[in-house]
Amino acid sequence: NAGVTQTPKFRVLKTGQSMTLLCAQDMNHEYMYWYRQDPGMGLRLIHYSVGEGTTAKGEVPDGYNVSRLKKQNFLLGLESAAPSQTSVYFCASSYLPGGNTEAFFGQGTRLTVV
Amino acid sequence: DAKTTQPPSMDCAEGRAANLPCNHSTISGNEYVYWYRQIHSQGPQYIIHGLKNNETNEMASLIITEDRKSSTLILPHATLRDTAVYYCIVRATLGNQFYFGTGTSLTVIP
Repeated sequence: NAGVTQTPKFRVLKTGQSMTLLCAQDMNHEYMYWYRQDPGMGLRLIHYSVGEGTTAKGEVPDGYNVSRLKKQNFLLGLESAAPSQTSVYFCASSYLPGGNTEAFFGQGTRLTVV
Repeated sequence: DAKTTQPPSMDCAEGRAANLPCNHSTISGNEYVYWYRQIHSQGPQYIIHGLKNNETNEMASLIITEDRKSSTLILPHATLRDTAVYYCIVRATLGNQFYFGTGTSLTVIP
């Protein structure tokens, strides 16, 4: 049981390049989330999904797009990377939408935009 | 989701209990209190959660005040491996998201 797996773990991009971060979970969870974490700060929610085929904006959605074509996968895309998007990105999933259920997190993707 | 307030940092001697406070004075009746920790920029790790009763598991205890405006996470016998940033989060019954603040950086001292 792998839990939440993020691919890749590290990446360096040039300004203007595009890339996609993949999050995969094998727990049959409906709810998935993408967060970013900047140095010395807590996690901030970028986008989330409440089920296959659905997505919604979080606190800091600008510059990112997401897709949830399959229940087990949640993709985060950067169409034109900017240095301000240098960050550590975490994916998470949970079985229920809130309240009495925990979220499970991946180990993060460290992205540097130069 | 309600906001939480935590001290930015705390120290604790190895082997002693670590008591991490959290203020959530605007919490509403359907919001749970969650605690996560993050060790050295790894993915956040779930510790414990509760609604109004005190809770205990193999990792920690959670004490929630009767008015639910504050809570305390207790690590009963802190070890060096408990050095981490601890996040207190409140989450509604139907809240889709976890909102993280800046947490408390706990340092366990030998």
